Amino acid sequence: ELKVEQNPLFLSMQEGKNYTIYCNYSTTSDRLYWYRQDPGKSLESLFVLLSNGAVKQEGRLMASLDTKARLSTLHITAAVHDLSATYFCAVDGSGTYKYIFGTGTRLKVLA
Amino acid sequence: DSGVTQTPKHLITATGQRVTLRCSPRSGDLSVYWYQQSLDQGLQFLIQYYNGEERAKGNILERFSAQQFPDLHSELNLSSLELGDSALYFCASSVEGSGWYNEQFFGPGTRLTVL
Repeated sequence: ELKVEQNPLFLSMQEGKNYTIYCNYSTTSDRLYWYRQDPGKSLESLFVLLSNGAVKQEGRLMASLDTKARLSTLHITAAVHDLSATYFCAVDGSGTYKYIFGTGTRLKVLA
Repeated sequence: DSGVTQTPKHLITATGQRVTLRCSPRSGDLSVYWYQQSLDQGLQFLIQYYNGEERAKGNILERFSAQQFPDLHSELNLSSLELGDSALYFCASSVEGSGWYNEQFFGPGTRLTVL
């Protein structure tokens, strides 16, 4: 069974600091996705990572994928309050068409 | 705005009842996914349709069913509702159902409250 685990589940950080969210998954897959969800809102696609070593950056967020370690990271640089949200990673269950989301990481950036 | 629409936005009903949630995918998207989001269960994949055919099933209860119509809109039917079915239900769509990547675009969700 495909499992996707994120840590930490909750993250409170000061503005200006750096931090990394980790996403581990249990099966072979080279397609990983990151989404953002603001409180009470829908999910918004952030990054699509399609191969081992893929790295994508958008503003203060950078995502990377290591398919051999079955690990993706979402790195936050110099956090600002606007980044406060819940971040989800998701994996395509290779060959199963199933799409499994991680537990989510609730990020709160304190001024 | 993702281009995915869902109706209704809110739904309040009683236990034992049946409801239908509707989703219209982005123009050109062939795949529709349904998810349930509750506080204690996180985001749970329910079912996927691709061009009118069921493609994958997740943790969907037997009391729930879905279909995708020729115009590609989809409906999720929830019957014999229980208090525990109260949740946010999201629909998402993507261009491709297999073979490539599935970046999904989410609708605004339907908040279901079962009293």
